[in-house]
Amino acid sequence: AQKITQTQPGMFVQEKEAVTLDCTYDTSDPSYGLFWYKQPSSGEMIFLIYQGSYDQQNATEGRYSLNFQKARKSANLVISASQLGDSAMYFCAMRNSNYQLIWGAGTKLIIKP
Amino acid sequence: DAGVTQSPTHLIKTRGQQVTLRCSPKSGHDTVSWYQQALGQGPQFIFQYYEEEERQRGNFPDRFSGHQFPNYSSELNVNALLLGDSALYLCASSSVIGLWEQYFGPGTRLTVT
Repeated sequence: AQKITQTQPGMFVQEKEAVTLDCTYDTSDPSYGLFWYKQPSSGEMIFLIYQGSYDQQNATEGRYSLNFQKARKSANLVISASQLGDSAMYFCAMRNSNYQLIWGAGTKLIIKP
Repeated sequence: DAGVTQSPTHLIKTRGQQVTLRCSPKSGHDTVSWYQQALGQGPQFIFQYYEEEERQRGNFPDRFSGHQFPNYSSELNVNALLLGDSALYLCASSSVIGLWEQYFGPGTRLTVT
């Protein structure tokens, strides 16, 4: 069965520190995509970063990077130099071969000043 | 360039009633996907519309139905509402060429009493 697991329900991080949000996935599809989204309290899903299963290099987008370890089936999100505005729910999601997004339960990140 | 819009923002309905939620995709997008996000959980894929037809469907009962119009906008209909249907309903649009890149609207928060 295809599944996304986020084992950290909540995290507290000091402002300006780096933070790693964990994500493991399970799929038998040879082709898939992995996403991270941010969801502030307003509810809108904001796309952060994407990694294709055949991409050789880890994806980076500004302060966001995705630590993709295919053999371990993990796709952790790293946020460098965290800011107060980074406080939100973070979701890991996987696109399967039917282009459906399968989502994890999310991690609530709180940045402390 | 308008992003994905959804209406209404909030809605309160009574058990057994019917509800219609609306979504206008981002300019240039022709595919609309709907997701249900219960409180404290990740989104669940409901279905996806392209060329006015339902192309993919998640594990939701027939009480959930949809429609896509020639201008690519979409409606989600839920009949015989249950208390468990209370959730944030998210609409995402994409291009059939780039289905991996989904843009989300702000969502409609449905409360069933």
